[in-house]
Formats: sequence, C-alpha cells, structure tokens
Amino acid sequence: DTEVTQTPKHLVMGMTNKKSLKCEQHMGHRAMYWYKQKAKKPPELMFVYSYEKLSINESVPSRFSPECPNSSLLNLHLHALQPEDSALYLCASSQDFQGAGSRTEAFFGQGTRLTVV
Amino acid sequence: LAKTTQPISMDSYEGQEVNITCSHNNIATNDYITWYQQFPSQGPRFIIQGYKTKVTNEVASLFIPADRKSSTLSLPRVSLSDTAVYYCLVGAEAAGNKLTFGGGTRVLVKP
Repeated sequence: DTEVTQTPKHLVMGMTNKKSLKCEQHMGHRAMYWYKQKAKKPPELMFVYSYEKLSINESVPSRFSPECPNSSLLNLHLHALQPEDSALYLCASSQDFQGAGSRTEAFFGQGTRLTVV
Repeated sequence: LAKTTQPISMDSYEGQEVNITCSHNNIATNDYITWYQQFPSQGPRFIIQGYKTKVTNEVASLFIPADRKSSTLSLPRVSLSDTAVYYCLVGAEAAGNKLTFGGGTRVLVKP
C-alpha cells in the first residue's frame, strides 16, 4: 500500500467555521507534511512532523493548527480562515526524517480542495 | 539550500522526446537530485532520483554531468497524458526534513 489518503476531497467553509482535514498513511513512514498550493504555483511547505513531533513550522498563521495523533495520522485543524486561504491542501509522507543529501521519496495524497467563503 | 532554476514552460508533440534541464549551481557534495511530476488537482508524484551520471527507470532518464551543476530529465516518446508540471528538487530541498519545491516546468504535449 503506497497510498496517502486525504479526506475530504472538497471542503467549503465559512470564515467563522471550524473544520479539520485528515491524512492517513500505512507505509510506516515517520515523516509527514502539510503543503498549501495555490493555482499555477508550486506547493508551499507548511508543517513537517517527524516521529509524531512537530519539527518544522514555516511561520504558518495560528488559524492553521496541525496535529499528529499517531504515526499513521495527520490532521490540520482550521479556524477563522480567510478567503485567501482557499487552496489545494496536500499531505505527504516519507520514510524518515533525514538530513541534507539523503535519498527521500515522498508520497503525496490527492489533496483537499478548500474554499473559504 | 541549493536553489534550482528550470524553464517555466515547454511545448512538445506526441511521440517526441522531451528534455527539461534544471540548473543547481550550488549543489552540495552529498546532495541528490529528485524530480516530481504533478497533474492538475493532484499531488506531486516521484519520478526519478540520481546522484551522478545517468539513471533510468520505466518512466524517465536523468542525466547528470560530472560537475553536477545541472541535470536533465528526459521523457521518451511523450503522450498527451505526460502533460504536467515537472519539479526539480536538490539536496536539503529533497531531503525528508524540508521538501521544498521551486517553480517547476509546465510541459504541454500536443497531438
């Protein structure tokens, strides 16, 4: 099983809503990532978890709150978002948290298309 | 982090070979070079990774000259379904701690 599963596939939420994005992998990967991607732009790294601990936060606003309940699951909790937060949110995983120069293949989910109204 | 530079876009025709060159002048000694493919509204997909000379798999080939300051992804005999954005990642960008994407190359395959 080389899949990263993200739910939901589409989400429309109001600016006062609270919602969560979910990501699951069963490849035994110990590094998991959240990315945000706007149309015609490359994915932008938001958060990295390594061994279920937050290791990188790319100065993401606090209205985005990540959580890693166990080694297979990654959540992104959303609260008080703005319309400009509308984007494709991608989850990825890789085998390990490795240093520079290491060989890493990351597996990505299909993403959640988020629209904030 | 090694910065990468790729052409913004390329057009090709079905059956042709597509070569995308990525410049990475400050690549570090231990850095690997990794390429990802992304279709619209999907997550990126790993294509190929290499360190030096040439690597080939069932999808593509990766050519890396001796100085390693650039690399070329070669897609043989492209089809319409190869229309996608292709990203080159180098070193710490490709490592598990910080998978950071550059601009990518938008490849359009025409009939």
